[in-house]
Formats: sequence, structure tokens, C-alpha cells
Amino acid sequence: GQQLNQSPQSMFIQEGEDVSMNCTSSSIFNTWLWYKQDPGEGPVLLIALYKAGELTSNGRLTAQFGITRKDSFLNISASIPSDVGIYFCAGQIRGSTLGRLYFGRGTQLTVWP
Amino acid sequence: ETGVTQTPRHLVMGMTNKKSLKCEQHLGHNAMYWYKQSAKKPLELMFVYSLEERVENNSVPSRFSPECPNSSHLFLHLHTLQPEDSALYLCASSQAGWHEQYFGPGTRLTVT
Repeated sequence: GQQLNQSPQSMFIQEGEDVSMNCTSSSIFNTWLWYKQDPGEGPVLLIALYKAGELTSNGRLTAQFGITRKDSFLNISASIPSDVGIYFCAGQIRGSTLGRLYFGRGTQLTVWP
Repeated sequence: ETGVTQTPRHLVMGMTNKKSLKCEQHLGHNAMYWYKQSAKKPLELMFVYSLEERVENNSVPSRFSPECPNSSHLFLHLHTLQPEDSALYLCASSQAGWHEQYFGPGTRLTVT
């Protein structure tokens, strides 16, 4: 099946630093989503992207839909301790009719105070 | 209640038990999903219901049996599970065919 390559697998950063992570696929996607999952909870939708080149912000988070339609990026500015968690990318392949999402393996973010 | 709720949050069961997981969405959606989340693996889609009809079954073993009595409720019936079925089971909902899926908090299942 379709696989998404998400990197990095984990990040250890100091509070206040900026964070970047990305996701790539071998297929063209028409939707990219970014989720955050806290321990013991379900993923929470952070940002949804629908057009190539689209840049969308949600507070300190900014995500971009890559021009090639095969990648997406998430940036977190001025990280704080509550940013700790696992960040997942997810996407829907162009032509898919059932809303089926493919997920990356996640980026584990640790923020040191 | 708001969003997507799941009960129980934790479940320990023996291999010969029968149990059910429940999911309820309060978002007015008409599609619901079951996912399995195991350590170090991407989320695995198990079942999709759209407009109360099962539209996808991803080669899931028959010891997992879904039920969707209406667009707000989804069940996963479990019987004769194996230890490797231990995982976090997540329910999600969306508008049918729409991409934004909203997840519940999950049920942490341990099979002994």
C-alpha cells in the first residue's frame, strides 16, 4: 500500500527553538493533514491543506502543501513544553473517493525547558 | 459530550473472552472509521462505514467484527483475540468522502 515517509523520527530541542518536519509520498496527494497525539490520547487535527503551494498557519504552527503535491512540511516556531507529543502527517491520494487517509509513522518531539 | 467519545478507555481481556468497544460521535458526521495503532507502526485502517454501510474492510481477521447501527455509533466486537492484537484502537469520524477525520481518545486493549 501507499507509504508516507515522515522525518525526522524524533527531535530533542530546547524550549524557544523552531522545529521543522516533513512528509513525502510516492503518489500525488490532493489533501495533506497534520495531527498531534499526546500520550494516551487520540490524534488531534492541527492543520488541513487542500491546494498545491498552500501555506496555512494555526498559531505558532505553519504547514505547507508542496508544489509537487508529493510532500508537505510542518513548522513550529518558538517551541514550548506543551508542544511535546507525536506529530503525524496524513494524506489522501488524488482520485480516492472514500476519504481514505494514509499516515506517516510520526515525529516524536521532546522539548527541554 | 462533544467530539468523538470511546469506551472503555482501557480493557484487559483473556484470549477466550468476548468484549465490545464503543464509539460515539457528536459532530453530525456520516462516516466512521476503526484504526489500530501499534508501537512503531503507522495507523492501520481496519474498517470504514459510510452512511451506515461498510465500504472497506482491510483484510482484518474475523475475530474483529464491526457494527454501525446508525451514523452516530460504531462498535467493534472482539472475540478469541491473540496477544498481538494488543494495541490502541482508535475511532474516527468525518463527513462521507471528506478528508478531515476527527479521532476519539482510543481504547487501550491488552490481550493476556
